[in-house]
Amino acid sequence: EVQLLESGGGLVQPGGSLRLSCAASGFTFSSYAVHWVRQAPGKGLEWVSSIGGSGISTYYADSVKGRFTISRDNSKNTLYLQMNSLRAEDTAVYYCAKRAGIATAGRYFDYWGQGTLVTVSS
Amino acid sequence: QSALTQPRSVSGSPGQSVTISCTGTSSDVGGYNYVSWYQLHPGKAPKVMIYDVSERPSGVPDRFSGSKSDNTASLTISGLQAEDEADYCCCSFAGSRWVFGGGTKLTVL
Repeated sequence: EVQLLESGGGLVQPGGSLRLSCAASGFTFSSYAVHWVRQAPGKGLEWVSSIGGSGISTYYADSVKGRFTISRDNSKNTLYLQMNSLRAEDTAVYYCAKRAGIATAGRYFDYWGQGTLVTVSS
Repeated sequence: QSALTQPRSVSGSPGQSVTISCTGTSSDVGGYNYVSWYQLHPGKAPKVMIYDVSERPSGVPDRFSGSKSDNTASLTISGLQAEDEADYCCCSFAGSRWVFGGGTKLTVL
């Protein structure tokens, strides 16, 4: 059974930093890209970042580029999101999501975690 | 990176059909056949209901269907049931990134 479990959320002051983790199990972690997607209170989903299976290719939304860094440790089946220079508008539930396929197949998210709440406030 | 445009809310009575639209641009919805739809319940993980515009994952009722015309994708739910009440969010691949819609709240009257 595929499982994704996020952790590391919490309350942080504007300008602060936080590192989120996502522990994966039930599939060959290194074979799939994984993503971070967030949902601000009362808003829709927003794609944040993605990383390829090998960890070489990374992509970011403009809203977080230069402040957030995505990484993965395939030996630990874990995805990370280092968030720096946090702003109030980064307040959201952060989900990790597994891409369904590789290459040109499965360009959607077939498994999601339950999410971890990040609150940026003084 | 603008979000895809969805109606804020739609509603229907049990047994009726509703359609939720999702409008993007030629750089996302119109440029790729990689539109997916997710059902959101508070406190639960999002669930994929449709992928690749019109494909249905195993376990999703055939009451759910998807389509696309130019820059607008649509999710249709026929034979509405009370359990379908939820938020629905569309998503499109857009090159090296993904873009989501703002979400639509479906109310079953």
